[in-house]
Amino acid sequence: QQQVKQSPQSLIVQKGGISIINCAYENTAFDYFPWYQQFPGKGPALLIAIRPDVSEKKEGRFTISFNKSAKQFSLHIMDSQPGDSATYFCAASSGKLTFGTGTRLQVTL
Amino acid sequence: ETGVTQTPRHLVMGMTNKKSLKCEQHLGHNAMYWYKQSAKKPLELMFVYNFKEQTENNSVPSRFSPECPNSSHLFLHLHTLQPEDSALYLCASSQERRAYGYTFGSGTRLTVV
Repeated sequence: QQQVKQSPQSLIVQKGGISIINCAYENTAFDYFPWYQQFPGKGPALLIAIRPDVSEKKEGRFTISFNKSAKQFSLHIMDSQPGDSATYFCAASSGKLTFGTGTRLQVTL
Repeated sequence: ETGVTQTPRHLVMGMTNKKSLKCEQHLGHNAMYWYKQSAKKPLELMFVYNFKEQTENNSVPSRFSPECPNSSHLFLHLHTLQPEDSALYLCASSQERRAYGYTFGSGTRLTVV
């Protein structure tokens, strides 16, 4: 049973556009929701994370929106750039990370 | 060197071979993890070590054998693997077992022929 569902599987966005990736979870014990970015040939790297006591967290062009009642959270990448092209993983943790299946983002010129 | 280093980066092995993957972290972390990454599947947690002691084995077949001689080094010994074991094997570390900030290595791309 997949505990963290991520969509879409792949995403193509034009340069300057907004990329949106969604995740949903079931386990209400999760108390930490990170997003990881993975470039080809590299391991995942922590991008941004949120705790469930806030509804939004912004770091530069990256924003997490969190809806506790719906058990959903999303990553928004504003002004998407070709250098943002990577695979993005959401995750949820109550001390042990559970990952989504990943979204392959391609930002075109 | 800093961060989490994995060697080798690529490995091709036959089903009867024995090989080992190595992970080293220079972050002073006390917990280390092995993950398996296959296409279109979530990252699968394989093993967890906390202060050199194995605390978790997620029903991993015995053909995968981990070893953690100290908090900085983690090995994954492989023997009689199957083609479906071909994947990217990632090592990660964190300050402690229930810490939330994981640092990943670049992984070993394993191909079983």
